[in-house]
Amino acid sequence: GAVVSQHPSWVICKSGTSVKIECRSLDFQATTMFWYRQFPKQSLMLMATSNEGSKATYEQGVEKDKFLINHASLTLSTLTVTSAHPEDSSFYICSAPVGTAGNTEAFFGQGTRLTVV
Amino acid sequence: DAKTTQPTSMDCAEGRAANLPCNHSTISGNEYVYWYRQIHSQGPQYIIHGLKNNETNEMASLIITEDRKSSTLILPHATLRDTAVYYCIGYKAAGNKLTFGGGTRVLVKP
Repeated sequence: GAVVSQHPSWVICKSGTSVKIECRSLDFQATTMFWYRQFPKQSLMLMATSNEGSKATYEQGVEKDKFLINHASLTLSTLTVTSAHPEDSSFYICSAPVGTAGNTEAFFGQGTRLTVV
Repeated sequence: DAKTTQPTSMDCAEGRAANLPCNHSTISGNEYVYWYRQIHSQGPQYIIHGLKNNETNEMASLIITEDRKSSTLILPHATLRDTAVYYCIGYKAAGNKLTFGGGTRVLVKP
């Protein structure tokens, strides 16, 4: 199946700094990618939809100025957590849909564990 | 997308079939039933999906009731590596946005 790769797998940063997470589709083009956040023992929460060549669409309650999304090419979307704080520590996961209407499958990256100290 | 309801957790014995139920009574005619699973600290993995017919692949079988209000994911011979959280999702493929509910935490025991 299609492969979605995230980098880094884990990162520790100091409070107040910014962290960039990359999501790449390795063997297909993705005009759309999705970013999720997952806290311990909770389900995945959709944060935003990343659109190649246009602005991202954020879910209600997600601060667009804090979570900057850039989808500069058909194979790369980045999520930058700006001025990170300990409460931003979480598991961040991206996904990209593949297929046509009626037969779509979403492929997920392996996730990035962010710890803000 | 349709809201789904799943048991919070369930245990099953290694080597036995695991039957995971899901209620999706508000599912619309053009929404597919998708199943994903997430092994601890990994990204979700696609298992299977269907519209109204039963489906089978190398991982599992999906049984959808005729009224499409519920479905059952069957893992025919559960192994310890099947321990994971299993998510049932009603998905409008054209919208391409997957929304996750609480899922079922499945523990396969020796």
